[in-house]
Amino acid sequence: SQQGEEDPQALSIQEGENATMNCSYKTSINNLQWYRQNSGRGLVHLILIRSNEREKHSGRLRVTLDTSKKSSSLLITASRAADTASYFCATDANRDDKIIFGKGTRLHILP
Amino acid sequence: DGGITQSPKYLFRKEGQNVTLSCEQNLNHDAMYWYRQDPGQGLRLIYYSQIVNDFQKGDIAEGYSVSREKKESFPLTVTSAQKNPTAFYLCASSYGGYDEQYFGPGTRLTVT
Repeated sequence: SQQGEEDPQALSIQEGENATMNCSYKTSINNLQWYRQNSGRGLVHLILIRSNEREKHSGRLRVTLDTSKKSSSLLITASRAADTASYFCATDANRDDKIIFGKGTRLHILP
Repeated sequence: DGGITQSPKYLFRKEGQNVTLSCEQNLNHDAMYWYRQDPGQGLRLIYYSQIVNDFQKGDIAEGYSVSREKKESFPLTVTSAQKNPTAFYLCASSYGGYDEQYFGPGTRLTVT
């Protein structure tokens, strides 16, 4: 029961550049979350954005939500080597008391 | 020092044996979850529990079993009925179903 779908599947950029990844979903949501996973580790929560919010910031992270297009984007500015990870979006669209994760975007920051 | 722990980090078993993965949290969260992650893939939900003594099947529950006798603990048993058990298993907890989830470090299970 996949709901959010991240795009692109993989992304390589030079250190210092901005990285943008997108998440599209199929049905209406109350909130959307972004998580990061370093290789071989557990996921770490980054940001939660509610359906009545359009944009949220946290440090170098900027998340936008467009409910009319059923999509969200995660922007990482001034990327660093430590940002190399997989990034997942998760939505509550199924309304069955749990969130559903997408398959993730693998981000590789090149030195 | 609050958090969620999983043990062991690596686990090796022979085919046909049941194995139990541990997950403990001291965050006072009501909800707990087990996910399976295969290489390069996303997370697939195995089981989840919103409250003590209650749990529900996720998308891939066949071949797995859980218990939730204590709020802090949500062990997962991988039974011999699971056809392809080798994977990375992640446990998570949250205050409620739609809230931010806190993840453990994961257990990598290899069955040969």
